[in-house]
Amino acid sequence: QKEVEQDPGPLSVPEGAIVSLNCTYSNSAFQYFMWYRQYSRKGPELLMYTYSSGNKEDGRFTAQVDKSSKYISLFIRDSQPSDSATYLCAMSPGGTSYGKLTFGQGTILTVHP
Amino acid sequence: GAGVSQSPSNKVTEKGKDVELRCDPISGHTALYWYRQRLGQGLEFLIYFQGNSAPDKSGLPSDRFSAERTGESVSTLTIQRTQQEDSAVYLCASSFSGARYEQYFGPGTRLTVT
Repeated sequence: QKEVEQDPGPLSVPEGAIVSLNCTYSNSAFQYFMWYRQYSRKGPELLMYTYSSGNKEDGRFTAQVDKSSKYISLFIRDSQPSDSATYLCAMSPGGTSYGKLTFGQGTILTVHP
Repeated sequence: GAGVSQSPSNKVTEKGKDVELRCDPISGHTALYWYRQRLGQGLEFLIYFQGNSAPDKSGLPSDRFSAERTGESVSTLTIQRTQQEDSAVYLCASSFSGARYEQYFGPGTRLTVT
């Protein structure tokens, strides 16, 4: 079983919809939780990061972490065609392994006009 | 400013040959990472350099893989005696030491082993 599980989709939604993406994990040592966005044939770019449990909001994006359930989510409000990309969750235990990120498989999202 | 750059962007090689992939991190970033991304998969951690500390090589899949970094600049990932299962996109990233969750990625090198 992988340490981080993410439904690969693909997910197709109409413009303006609320999108919910999520990941589950098994390693209770994870402390840092990130969402990266990757456009086709590009490297991933950081969207959001959260330390430990809680919610974080940035514009149309909200990240949630529930460590008790080992479950993280990313919500996108008022989705736009430019949001079409692959969304990757990533996690790190901190400490000496702080930079060693474990990624989910990625969810392919298409927002159609 | 300039982002992370990688070269070559594409590499086709024959099974059994050695290949070298290069990464130029963002200036001032002390941490540098290599990942592998197979088709339709997430990123797989390979190796991580942080300043003058010994690198974390725990993700290297076999002794055919090695990496070096010169000071806090260029890094090379070497794959010896390439196999078809080595075909993937190899991504390099860099970050500030205090923000290792925020990794800046290069565009990757697409390696095809025939």
